[in-house]
Amino acid sequence: DAGITQSPRHKVTETGTPVTLRCHQTENHRYMYWYRQDPGHGLRLIHYSYGVKDTDKGEVSDGYSVSRSKTEDFLLTLESATSSQTSVYFCAITPDSNTGELFFGEGSRLTVL
Amino acid sequence: QQQVKQSPQSLIVQKGGISIINCAYENTAFDYFPWYQQFPGKGPALLIAIRPDVSEKKEGRFTISFNKSAKQFSLHIMDSQPGDSATYFCAASLNSGYALNFGKGTSLLVTP
Repeated sequence: DAGITQSPRHKVTETGTPVTLRCHQTENHRYMYWYRQDPGHGLRLIHYSYGVKDTDKGEVSDGYSVSRSKTEDFLLTLESATSSQTSVYFCAITPDSNTGELFFGEGSRLTVL
Repeated sequence: QQQVKQSPQSLIVQKGGISIINCAYENTAFDYFPWYQQFPGKGPALLIAIRPDVSEKKEGRFTISFNKSAKQFSLHIMDSQPGDSATYFCAASLNSGYALNFGKGTSLLVTP
């Protein structure tokens, strides 16, 4: 298994509170991604990173910010959580060898009440 | 705007049968087409992938058929088994897997 750890794995929070999800990798890969998965929508890209301090937006980035201060950590922050952000969030990494394969973490289930 | 359209949304197949999932894309610049398999409570995992220079790729019981002119590709699971029951996602990207665009997924149930 790819060395990806997501935390927390489950979180329940209230509308308006800030939330940070952490993705930690032990593979030293350059590229990291955050996706959200929702029934009927599949997997949608939120943000991605192509190096330390280098990030870019995906198709559903509104309401989310990211940071990558170290190669191994990619943080996803919801500044003020809304019920529409209730979802399962997946972190993924890509090997630098450009094989084209994404390795996914096991997901973080977030419920915003 | 969804760049990859996947069908059907759900599929029930008897053990030993053939499961077929279809995907269509719009962007002719896409050059990498993977399929991911996801079991409940787990992250998706790469199952098989194809590039547009070939029309078919087979790995064991899993085959991708690719039709460049129609901008369609499909996954065929031969001799489907109950252990194949999972959600399957097709995807496409411009640059060998970076920033994949996923379909909405197909929930496959293989009955004994």
